[in-house]
Amino acid sequence: QLQLQESGPGLVKPSETLSLTCTVSGDSISSSSYYWGWIRQPPGKGLEWIGSIYYSGNTYYNPSLQSRVTISVDRSKNQFSLKLSSVTAADTAVYYCARHTRVSYCFDYWGQGILVTVSS
Amino acid sequence: QSALTQPASVSGSPGQSITISCTGTSSDVGGYNYVSWYQQHPGKAPKLMIYDVNNRPSGVSNRFSGSKSGNTASLTISGLQAEDEADYYCSSYTSGSTLEVFGGGTRLTVL
Repeated sequence: QLQLQESGPGLVKPSETLSLTCTVSGDSISSSSYYWGWIRQPPGKGLEWIGSIYYSGNTYYNPSLQSRVTISVDRSKNQFSLKLSSVTAADTAVYYCARHTRVSYCFDYWGQGILVTVSS
Repeated sequence: QSALTQPASVSGSPGQSITISCTGTSSDVGGYNYVSWYQQHPGKAPKLMIYDVNNRPSGVSNRFSGSKSGNTASLTISGLQAEDEADYYCSSYTSGSTLEVFGGGTRLTVL
């Protein structure tokens, strides 16, 4: 059974860089059938796609976040990571990682999510 | 990249049917059959309910169905049950260097 698990600090200071990792178990991150994506949800608000990565390293980002986002993949650890720089309180959200199918462009498996608060 | 447009809320009584709309443009909903729908209960991760406009993943009740006309996709839930009360989000593939855009979400209340 495929499982995704987010990990990282739950508190980040303003202007610093938010760093999260998603560990994938039950499937290879090197599968040619999938991207691997990050989605966030501010408290009480809707979902926002942050970006997705293919195992080869090709990345796709939300234009509104592109200047601050970097997504990378570590095939040896079956993990992919998110870095969001110059964070503000507006970046406070639950961050989800998810498997993103290349055939149907949907997110079919999700992690449980991790709340990241931006505060001094 | 603008979010897809969904009604903020819909409601229905047990046993009734409801429909949630999701309006985009010819660059996303109208241009591709890659619309998906997600159900999210409070404090939980979203769950995929519909993909490719009208396909259900294994295990999803056949009370959930999807359709599309022009730039608007729709999710219909028939035979409403109390457990269907949740937030629902649509998403679509979008052309260009980006891949995905979500709708703003719709809160379903079962009266």
